[in-house]
Amino acid sequence: EVQLLESGGGLVQPGGSLRLSCAASGFTFSSYAMSWVRQAPGKGREWVSSITGSGGGTFYADSVKGRFTFSRDNSKNTLYLQMNSLRAEDTAVYYCAKNYDESRLSWFDSWGQGTLVTVSS
Amino acid sequence: DIVMTQSPDSLAVSLGERATINCKSNQSVLYSSNNKNYLAWYQQKPGQPPNLLIYWASTRESGVPDRFSGSGSGTDFTLTISSLQAEDVAVYYCQQYYSGPLTFGPGTKVDVK
Repeated sequence: EVQLLESGGGLVQPGGSLRLSCAASGFTFSSYAMSWVRQAPGKGREWVSSITGSGGGTFYADSVKGRFTFSRDNSKNTLYLQMNSLRAEDTAVYYCAKNYDESRLSWFDSWGQGTLVTVSS
Repeated sequence: DIVMTQSPDSLAVSLGERATINCKSNQSVLYSSNNKNYLAWYQQKPGQPPNLLIYWASTRESGVPDRFSGSGSGTDFTLTISSLQAEDVAVYYCQQYYSGPLTFGPGTKVDVK
């Protein structure tokens, strides 16, 4: 059974940094692209970033490009989302999601429970 | 970016009745070389993560009850719940994976009348 467990969310001041982690199990981790999707309170779902199975390719939404860095450690089956220069509009529940295959253009067949990031002074 | 819209915003259906949700993209998500529509549907219940229902616009994910079906092509798609059950109360939303950035519809809330 695929399991994705996010951690690292919390309250941070505007301009601050936070690192989210997602521990994965139940599948051959390095064979799949992975993604982060967020949902702000009362708003729709927004794709944030994707990473290829090897970690060699990363893709970002324009809203986070240059501020967020997505990486993975295939030896630990873990994803990391380093979030810098955080803004109030980054406040959201962040979900780790498994892509269907190696492609970044994919649906998501498994999701974590999500971790809440609140950016506020 | 491909913009996804859904209608209605919410609907209430009697148990055992049909629920129909529409999803529209502002450009085609049909890839002509393989004749596949790059569209997925998800269900999200309160306090839970999204759950994949349908991909390639009409292929049901393993384990999804057959009362859920997807149809449509190009820019217009439909998710149908043929006989609404109490456990189907949720928000349903579509997602295109034809081109980056991946985008989602705003969601349709389904309740029991």
